[in-house]
Amino acid sequence: QKEVEQNSGPLSVPEGAIASLNCTYSDRGSQSFFWYRQYSGKSPELIMSIYSNGDKEDGRFTAQLNKASQYVSLLIRDSQPSDSATYLCAVKTGGGNKLTFGTGTQLKVEL
Amino acid sequence: DTAVSQTPKYLVTQMGNDKSIKCEQNLGHDTMYWYKQDSKKFLKIMFSYNNKELIINETVPNRFSPKSPDKAHLNLHINSLELGDSAVYFCASSQGVQPLGYTFGSGTRLTVV
Repeated sequence: QKEVEQNSGPLSVPEGAIASLNCTYSDRGSQSFFWYRQYSGKSPELIMSIYSNGDKEDGRFTAQLNKASQYVSLLIRDSQPSDSATYLCAVKTGGGNKLTFGTGTQLKVEL
Repeated sequence: DTAVSQTPKYLVTQMGNDKSIKCEQNLGHDTMYWYKQDSKKFLKIMFSYNNKELIINETVPNRFSPKSPDKAHLNLHINSLELGDSAVYFCASSQGVQPLGYTFGSGTRLTVV
């Protein structure tokens, strides 16, 4: 079992819709969770972090964490074509300062 | 005023050669990392340094040797390059042992021919 799992997609949503991206993780002791956005040919960019169960909202983005079920999700409201990118889920696992990444979900927002 | 800068951006080299990638951050962070992203976009940690001390050393061939002269710099030297080393190598930095998220460099695309 991979430590952090995501559907690779592509996930296609129409412009203005809500995009829902999901991620599951295997280490029940994980405490810190992150969502990164990566445009093609560019470096990953941090868009959300979440540490406690529940929802955390930042503009059009909402991160949701459920530690009991070991999943974290990202909702993007009013999706725009500029949101088209690969979204990487990252989880702090083990000791040190190591982030373990999922393989990413490719999101396509269509006009 | 780039936060995390890597050089070179592109590197094409022949099998068997030795090459280095350099990374510098001006964020005042105390921890730096090397990650490898393969053709399937999977980002995997290679090394991490905290205040010049190696704290994470994943299962990486001995041909890869990191070096941190100070907490603002982390370099990666690769000996005897192989075809499978072709990937994008990202440097990143963060502050403290509680990650508030990494800041990534722009990446170095290494192609071994």
